Amino acid sequence: GQQLNQSPQSMFIQEGEDVSMNCTSSSIFNTWLWYKQEPGEGPVLLIALYKAGELTSNGRLTAQFGITRKDSFLNISASIPSDVGIYFCAGLYNTNAGKSTFGDGTTLTVKP
Amino acid sequence: DTEVTQTPKHLVMGMTNKKSLKCEQHMGHRAMYWYKQKAKKPPELMFVYSYEKLSINESVPSRFSPECPNSSLLNLHLHALQPEDSALYLCASSQDSDSPLHFGNGTRLTVT
Repeated sequence: GQQLNQSPQSMFIQEGEDVSMNCTSSSIFNTWLWYKQEPGEGPVLLIALYKAGELTSNGRLTAQFGITRKDSFLNISASIPSDVGIYFCAGLYNTNAGKSTFGDGTTLTVKP
Repeated sequence: DTEVTQTPKHLVMGMTNKKSLKCEQHMGHRAMYWYKQKAKKPPELMFVYSYEKLSINESVPSRFSPECPNSSLLNLHLHALQPEDSALYLCASSQDSDSPLHFGNGTRLTVT
């Protein structure tokens, strides 16, 4: 089946630093999604990308849909303590009838 | 606040008990999902309902039985579970099966 390689697995950064994480796949996707999960909560959608090459921002977050449709990155600028959580990438291929493929997650810790 | 509501938040059950997890959404979404999530792992798909019909069962053991009474409600009936079934059970919905997921905050299930 399809698999996503998400890196890094974890990051420990100082408040104010920029963060970058990415996902790569051996298969193509039609949609790339980035979710954030905080303790005790379900994942929350941060950014959805629908076209190869698309670059989308949501506040301090920026994500891109790779040209090859096999990768995506998420950048967080000027991190703050509330950015702490697990970030998951996910890919959707529209003939998979609802089966999102998730990366293993990047755990972000921000030190004040 | 999440727009997908799950009850109960926490559940402890013995291996001989029968219990049900409930999920509700009023966003008019036509696809609903059950996911299982272990600590620090990505969500694992269990079931997908599309237009109130079961469209995907990811080879889930029969001790888990989903039900979709109407387009807003999704239940997961539990019977004779094992301790290894202890996990966070997440419900999600999406506009259709090709759209991003909206997750509830989950039910933390402990099987004793």
